[in-house]
Amino acid sequence: EVQLLESGGGLVQPGGSLRLSCAASGFTFRSYAMSWVRQAPGKGLEWVSAIIGSGDDTYHADSVRGRFSISRDSSKNTLYLQMNSLRVEDTAVYYCAKETLGKSDDYWGQGTLVTVSS
Amino acid sequence: DIVLTQSPDSLAVSLGERATISCKSSQSILYGPDNKSALSWYQQKPGQPPRLLIYWASTRESGIPDRFSGSGSGTDFTLSISSLQPEDVAVYYCQQYLTIRRTFGGGTKVEI
Repeated sequence: EVQLLESGGGLVQPGGSLRLSCAASGFTFRSYAMSWVRQAPGKGLEWVSAIIGSGDDTYHADSVRGRFSISRDSSKNTLYLQMNSLRVEDTAVYYCAKETLGKSDDYWGQGTLVTVSS
Repeated sequence: DIVLTQSPDSLAVSLGERATISCKSSQSILYGPDNKSALSWYQQKPGQPPRLLIYWASTRESGIPDRFSGSGSGTDFTLSISSLQPEDVAVYYCQQYLTIRRTFGGGTKVEI
């Protein structure tokens, strides 16, 4: 059974940093691209970042480019999102998602809440 | 980036009636030699992550009831729920995956 478990969310002041983790199980982690998608309170879904299976290529939304960095550790079956220079508008539930080629994001974690506030 | 526009923003449907949601893309999302459209539909209930319903615009994900169907090609797409059930109350999103830089529609809230 595919499972994705996010952690690392919490309350942080503007300008601060946070690292999110997503522990994956039930599939061959290194074979799949992974993404982070966020959802601000009461709002829709916003794609944030993606990384291919090998980790060699990463992609970021314009809204986070230069501040966020996605990475993965296949020895630990874990996906990361390093978030620096956080802004109030980064407040959201952050989901990690597994991509199956041709299906887009077929499995999602339960999400972790990041609150940026002074 | 590819922009997806969903309509309506919200929809009230009687139990057993049909619900129809539209998703229009700012550019064609046809992919590959088979000319499939790289569009998926998700259902999200309060406090839960999105759940994949449909991919390639019209292929139902495993375990999804057949009252859910997707149609369309190129830039215009539709999600239909043929006979609305109480458990179908949710927000529905379309998503394009032609590019790795995914984009989502704004969502449609379906109520009874």
